[in-house]
Amino acid sequence: DVKVTQSSRYLVKRTGEKVFLECVQDMDHENMFWYRQDPGLGLRLIYFSYDVKMKEKGDIPEGYSVSREKKERFSLILESASTNQTSMYLCASQESNEKLFFGSGTQLSVL
Amino acid sequence: SQQGEEDPQALSIQEGENATMNCSYKTSINNLQWYRQNSGRGLVHLILIRSNEREKHSGRLRVTLDTSKKSSSLLITASRAADTASYFCATGVSGNTPLVFGKGTRLSVIA
Repeated sequence: DVKVTQSSRYLVKRTGEKVFLECVQDMDHENMFWYRQDPGLGLRLIYFSYDVKMKEKGDIPEGYSVSREKKERFSLILESASTNQTSMYLCASQESNEKLFFGSGTQLSVL
Repeated sequence: SQQGEEDPQALSIQEGENATMNCSYKTSINNLQWYRQNSGRGLVHLILIRSNEREKHSGRLRVTLDTSKKSSSLLITASRAADTASYFCATGVSGNTPLVFGKGTRLSVIA
């Protein structure tokens, strides 16, 4: 079975901190995605990547950056965390441009 | 940008009843997928239906697609308490365009 692992289930950070959310997949998928999920807003795409060192902005990239140095790892970076970035963050990898496999999510609280 | 819109937003039924959720979308699609999310966890892929298919089954799940009406429905038959979750539709437009998710339907199955 495909496994997508997010480094933390819960994270508490302070305003202004630099935050790294790590995501690793074990199925050699080329496509990887970062979403955030907020009540009433559904899933919103932050960034995605279709290859190593490649990245594309999604619908809400402001305040975020990403890194994909290796195929299996896609990192989301909050350069200077703010309270409005408190959210559930979901990483996913994609099989053959179709089915997505999600990690368990990271609930980030920025105080 | 939200393409799929699920209806209803919330649904509460008794165990053993059938649950039907609908998804409407705006543009032409390549495929439509349904995902399930247990509270506080990542999404799990349930079923994919392609634009040239009208109906698909998987266990107690039945999905229909009407491209002329730009709508899909997910039917869960003989529901169980364990089916309690949020259900999301996601539309795939073309090979290298990310899936777009709706806001989900919260299903509660009461034992």
